[in-house]
Amino acid sequence: DVKVTQSSRYLVKRTGEKVFLECVQDMDHENMFWYRQDPGLGLRLIYFSYDVKMKEKGDIPEGYSVSREKKERFSLILESASTNQTSMYLCASDNYLRTKNTEAFFGQGTRLTVV
Amino acid sequence: GDSVTQMEGPVTLSEEACLTINCTYTATGYPSLFWYVQYPGEGLQLLLKATKADDKGSNKGFEATYRKETTSFHLEKGSVQVSDSAVYFCALSLMEYGNKLVFGAGTILRVKS
Repeated sequence: DVKVTQSSRYLVKRTGEKVFLECVQDMDHENMFWYRQDPGLGLRLIYFSYDVKMKEKGDIPEGYSVSREKKERFSLILESASTNQTSMYLCASDNYLRTKNTEAFFGQGTRLTVV
Repeated sequence: GDSVTQMEGPVTLSEEACLTINCTYTATGYPSLFWYVQYPGEGLQLLLKATKADDKGSNKGFEATYRKETTSFHLEKGSVQVSDSAVYFCALSLMEYGNKLVFGAGTILRVKS
């Protein structure tokens, strides 16, 4: 089974802190994604990556950055956390570029609260 | 831009009732369409998909048909169970940009026994 693992289920951080959310997948997928999930808004794409050291902005990249130093790991960084970044963050991966399989696999999510 | 609109919830049904969750989309190209489901405390998982017009996706008793003429992909099930209680997301992807998903707002389904 494909597994996408997010390092924390719940995080509480203070305003202004630098926050790292980690995601690891174990199926050699090329594509990895970070979404945030908010009630009434669904999931919105923050950043994605098609390969190691490669990143592309999604729809709401402001206030975030990402790092992909290894194929299996994709990190989301909040440079200076703010209360409006309180949300559920979901990592996903897929193998579309190589296999044309359109199924995305999601982690369980990290619920981040910024106080 | 590309977008997905789905019916607002929550939807509350009794066990064995029929379910329809409406989903319509706007896309500049020819998208693939998906339904993802999120059970309590879990991430999303793919429920079903369709990649071209008139395709029907099906899984676990759920069905949805890709209707290009009405730009719709409504989710249906003939008889829901308590275990179907979850949040359902309609989504599209334009594959020429890779598999980037655009999601609807999600619909909460509650099934009572």
